Amino acid sequence: DAGVIQSPRHEVTEMGQEVTLRCKPISGHDYLFWYRQTMMRGLELLIYFNNNVPIDDSGMPEDRFSAKMPNASFSTLKIQPSEPRDSAVYFCASSTLGARNTEAFFGQGTRLTVV
Amino acid sequence: AQSVSQHNHHVILSEAASLELGCNYSYGGTVNLFWYVQYPGQHLQLLLKYFSGDPLVKGIKGFEAEFIKSKFSFNLRKPSVQWSDTAEYFCAVNAPDDYKLSFGAGTTVTVRA
Repeated sequence: DAGVIQSPRHEVTEMGQEVTLRCKPISGHDYLFWYRQTMMRGLELLIYFNNNVPIDDSGMPEDRFSAKMPNASFSTLKIQPSEPRDSAVYFCASSTLGARNTEAFFGQGTRLTVV
Repeated sequence: AQSVSQHNHHVILSEAASLELGCNYSYGGTVNLFWYVQYPGQHLQLLLKYFSGDPLVKGIKGFEAEFIKSKFSFNLRKPSVQWSDTAEYFCAVNAPDDYKLSFGAGTTVTVRA
């Protein structure tokens, strides 16, 4: 398996524009997580899904952020409208329910810059 | 909910020196514990994990960690670091029935040649 795949790797956009980040989890993984990493706040969990259903979105900072998982192999994180303070690295991770104790596998991340 | 504390924000040391990074967590029940490493410009990779059994866990690249339940600690160690160990290190914890990982703030390790 190629691991968790995120796209794009880098995104530069202007304030007010819509941004969509994409993630393909590892095949067979039941859980998908979206994290945001900044210097100030470190790694923050934004939302996670189990079997394509959002379980906990308490980390989503504002209504401008939304996430979907239309099927087991694809998820999106959308920011509309984007703001400079959204600049961060966004990581997607996946793990499996198959084993009770398992680790999360991370994608390469999307570095978002909002100017 | 769990919380994780990493006491060292930035550690600078020379090659061949020994490394120990502290990690404490707050959670009263059984936990799974992890150390992840993030090399410059890269994604997080698992170094090692503890679920149960021997509290001394050996991971990749010569790293090990010891779970001390009474101290709620899971410190990471490496007896002799290399320049290539320069990275950011994250301690993380979850409960066995909760797949949500809580991360510490991370420790940046700089190894000077």
